[in-house]
Amino acid sequence: DQQVKQNSPSLSVQEGRISILNCDYTNSMFDYFLWYKKYPAEGPTFLISISSIKDKNEDGRFTVFLNKSAKHLSLHIVPSQPGDSAVYFCAASVGYQLIWGAGTKLIIKP
Amino acid sequence: SQTIHQWPATLVQPVGSPLSLECTVEGTSNPNLYWYRQAAGRGLQLLFYSVGIGQISSEVPQNLSASRPQDRQFILSSKKLLLSDSGFYLCAWTVANYGYTFGSGTRLTVV
Repeated sequence: DQQVKQNSPSLSVQEGRISILNCDYTNSMFDYFLWYKKYPAEGPTFLISISSIKDKNEDGRFTVFLNKSAKHLSLHIVPSQPGDSAVYFCAASVGYQLIWGAGTKLIIKP
Repeated sequence: SQTIHQWPATLVQPVGSPLSLECTVEGTSNPNLYWYRQAAGRGLQLLFYSVGIGQISSEVPQNLSASRPQDRQFILSSKKLLLSDSGFYLCAWTVANYGYTFGSGTRLTVV
């Protein structure tokens, strides 16, 4: 049973436009949500997080939105840059663990 | 500063051979330590986590095992590798439930 789902395996966006990455979850006990970025053959790096008591968190070009009623969160990247091309993982925190989505590969086109 | 070391970076092992991957953390005490695997085309799968020396929790049944002989050392092992053990293995640590820091990973190919 996948508690955290990223239904889009890949997403292609033109440079300069907005990239929107989506994530759905099923467990209402998750208290923290995070986005990680991963390049091939490297470990994931932390991007941005949001507490379950908030609905928005912004850090530079990255904004995460949380809709608790819909159990949905999204990552917005504006404007998209070539270096943003990577796999993005959504993760949710419960207890000592992070539950991860399967990832979305973001491709930024010139 | 806090750093995490994971080695080796790549490894090619024959089926049936043993495995030992090591991870060490510097600059922090009593971290929570994790082993993840990313198989080709799939997301990250939690294999083991540890909240203290000698305390190991396993998330999936498999022929892998983990040990934490010291506070900042986490070891992933296998007595006999299977082809299905191929993947990208990541060690991670945290002292809270967010802001995980990952090692650079080990690409394991079982042939």
